[in-house]
Amino acid sequence: DTGVSQDPRHKITKRGQNVTFRCDPISEHNRLYWYRQTLGQGPEFLTYFQNEAQLEKSRLLSDRFSAERPKGSFSTLEIQRTEQGDSAMYLCASSLGGASTEAFFGQGTRLTVV
Amino acid sequence: AQSVTQPDIHITVSEGASLELRCNYSYGATPYLFWYVQSPGQGLQLLLKYFSGDTLVQGIKGFEAEFKRSQSSFNLRKPSVHWSDAAEYFCAAAMRISGGSNYKLTFGKGTLLTVNP
Repeated sequence: DTGVSQDPRHKITKRGQNVTFRCDPISEHNRLYWYRQTLGQGPEFLTYFQNEAQLEKSRLLSDRFSAERPKGSFSTLEIQRTEQGDSAMYLCASSLGGASTEAFFGQGTRLTVV
Repeated sequence: AQSVTQPDIHITVSEGASLELRCNYSYGATPYLFWYVQSPGQGLQLLLKYFSGDTLVQGIKGFEAEFKRSQSSFNLRKPSVHWSDAAEYFCAAAMRISGGSNYKLTFGKGTLLTVNP
């Protein structure tokens, strides 16, 4: 078990470009979460998958953001037409069950929009 | 609104001194509560969690936390801080979403701990 892995670790992109991040959860975990963390803030919830179903999306997830989890395995988070305000650390977490089980976090993808 | 508040943005302690990091929550019911630690450039590591039962919970690295329902608090403590404890600490609460048994974590803004030699 290698834990939750995220790729890439760092991404620098020009404003207006599209970017895609990948998250590979712990293999037996059926729940997957995306969070965004900006400087000086705690992580903020973006979206949640149970298996392949996206069950919740935050208001933070504008229509430029889309997330998928095909076949309930890895997940991708795409940001279209990036803006400077999208610069942040994007964290992925996975868990085996509900609130009583630990969510394991990846090391995150740091996005810089220039 | 459901929220988690960490009143202290930055705390500095001397190595060997005791530590208490404050956390308050606002939620309609008793949430599940967590403390995470984040080192620079790293993801979040769970220190400890409270679900029910004994209000004093023990975690890894010598940390403990006490749940106080009357104060809506879940403060993190360590009797003797080590230089390696320097990091950012986040309190979080699991709050229900989408009905059923689905939850999200709501985090405080974090407390940055500096340890002086």
